[in-house]
Amino acid sequence: GAVVSQHPSRVICKSGTSVKIECRSLDFQATTMFWYRQFPKQSLMLMATSNEGSKATYEQGVEKDKFLINHASLTLSTLTVTSAHPEDSSFYICSAAGGRNTGELFFGEGSRLTVL
Amino acid sequence: SQQGEEDPQALSIQEGENATMNCSYKTSINNLQWYRQNSGRGLVHLILIRSNEREKHSGRLRVTLDTSKKSSSLLITASRAADTASYFCATQTSGSRLTFGEGTQLTVNP
Repeated sequence: GAVVSQHPSRVICKSGTSVKIECRSLDFQATTMFWYRQFPKQSLMLMATSNEGSKATYEQGVEKDKFLINHASLTLSTLTVTSAHPEDSSFYICSAAGGRNTGELFFGEGSRLTVL
Repeated sequence: SQQGEEDPQALSIQEGENATMNCSYKTSINNLQWYRQNSGRGLVHLILIRSNEREKHSGRLRVTLDTSKKSSSLLITASRAADTASYFCATQTSGSRLTFGEGTQLTVNP
């Protein structure tokens, strides 16, 4: 299957700093990527849909100025958590639709963010 | 908000037994998918069933879909300790966007 790489897998930062998480589709082009947030023992909550070459579409209640998404190429989307606070600590996962348009999504391994 | 509800929330069985997880959803869908997530990892796609299909098999997995009841089930036969994970159903209505259920934590005891 298609491979999606997410980096970093773990990051610890101080409150007030910004953290960037990268999501790459390694063997296919992804015009659309999705960013999810997952709290412990809970399901995935869609944060935003990242569209190559255009602005991301954010879900209701997600602050677009807080969670900056850039999808500058067909293989890379980035999520930047700006001025991070302890409540932003979570597991962030990206996904992308494979090139064959089967409906299946391929997920990155996730990034564990801990804000001190 | 989540589209679906899954039950049970947690399931603990012995190796060799079958595990059944259920998922309900609220709106019309194009397809329903099941994913597996090991603790602290990303999601792995297991199986996709389209709205015009009623049953699908893949190895030890059997998925059913009842669109009249807006529900699906995932059956894992002859479970193994390595099947221990969280299992999520997810619905797709249009485009690639997925909406996830709450998940079932499966524990298979050796």
